[in-house]
Order: sequence, then C-alpha cells, then structure tokens
Amino acid sequence: GENVEQHPSTLSVQEGDSAVIKCTYSDSASNYFPWYKQELGKRPQLIIDIRSNVGEKKDQRIAVTLNKTAKHFSLHITETQPEDSAVYFCAARVGGNEKLTFGTGTRLTIIP
Amino acid sequence: NAGVTQTPKFQVLKTGQSMTLQCAQDMNHNSMYWYRQDPGMGLRLIYYSASEGTTDKGEVPNGYNVSRLNKREFSLRLESAAPSQTSVYFCASSGGTRLWIQYFGAGTRLSVL
Repeated sequence: GENVEQHPSTLSVQEGDSAVIKCTYSDSASNYFPWYKQELGKRPQLIIDIRSNVGEKKDQRIAVTLNKTAKHFSLHITETQPEDSAVYFCAARVGGNEKLTFGTGTRLTIIP
Repeated sequence: NAGVTQTPKFQVLKTGQSMTLQCAQDMNHNSMYWYRQDPGMGLRLIYYSASEGTTDKGEVPNGYNVSRLNKREFSLRLESAAPSQTSVYFCASSGGTRLWIQYFGAGTRLSVL
C-alpha cells in the first residue's frame, strides 16, 4: 500500500520567516495530495490540496509544490505568524481509492 | 449544519470493557472513516465505509468493529478494550462536490486503564 514519509517532525522558525515541510510518497498511482492543519486540542482541517496534474498551487501565504518524478511534495508557508503554530499533516490518495494515507506530522512553532 | 459530530468527547474504560463511539454527518457524504491518532504516529485509518452498506479495513483494524448504520451514521465498537487502544479517535466524512476532501469530527479522547 501507499507509504507517506514526512520531515521534519518538529520545526521552529522566527516570526516572519518561511517554513517548509516535505513529504515523499511511494505509490506512483497517487493523484491527490492534501495538507491538514491541526491546532492544539482541535480537529484536523484542510488548508490546501493539489492534484497530480498541477505542479504548484498557492493560497495567500501558503503554497504546495509537487514533483511527480521524484514522488515528493512540499508545503511552503511565507511570512509566518504566531497563529501558524500547529501540527501539519500531509497525505496522499491513490487513484480509484477512497482512502488517504497520512504522514506522521510536523509540529511547527513560530517564535515571536 | 453541524458537519461531523462525534460522541462522547471523553471516555475512560477499564481493560476488558466494551463501548461504541458514535459518529454522524449531515453533509450527505457517501464515505466515512475512523482514525486513531497517537503521538508521533499521525492519523492511522482503522476502518472506512465508501458507501452505505459497505465497510473495509484500514491500516489498524484489529480489536475494532464498525457499523454503517445508514448514510449519516458510522459507529466504531471496541468489544474488549485494551490499554493499547488508549488514543484520540477521529471520525471523518467525504463526498459531494468536493469529493476528496475529508471533514473531521472533534474527536473522542479514550483512556483504557
């Protein structure tokens, strides 16, 4: 089955700097890659997603890039703010399958 | 429109006790999922249901059973709870026009002593 690896497990950045979280996947048939944000004690919520026919997608301060050849995708957060502190999960969906396989998460801390 | 609702929010069980976690969604979604979340392990799929009347095993199904009662409800049952089942459990659903996006409930924090 699909395997998703996520790095780093923890990340601290100065407020205003950029943060990058990287994920790799194993199944070349994966075609959908969402990112979820989970604040402390809350439920995971989708923040951005990308499909395999697109190389990059942006939404204000966040962007996701996809390299299908290398089978990796990354989350980029620019101009980080204290409210960006959370755990971020990447995931992958194999085409024709209902399931998402999640990475193990990255705890992002923004230092004021 | 409440989205995905889980009950209870918290539960403490003794080893060997049984319980059912309830999940309901009001978004008319076809697919529903149960995950467990443990520190450093991410979200691991226990069972899912692609449509009413069907259920399939996920990554960690042992010790659990599920019932897709109708399109709205998907329950998770622990027949004989073990300390290894101490975790936070999330229900999710997906479907409709934004087919692949999963919407999560608020979670159930379960402790098995």
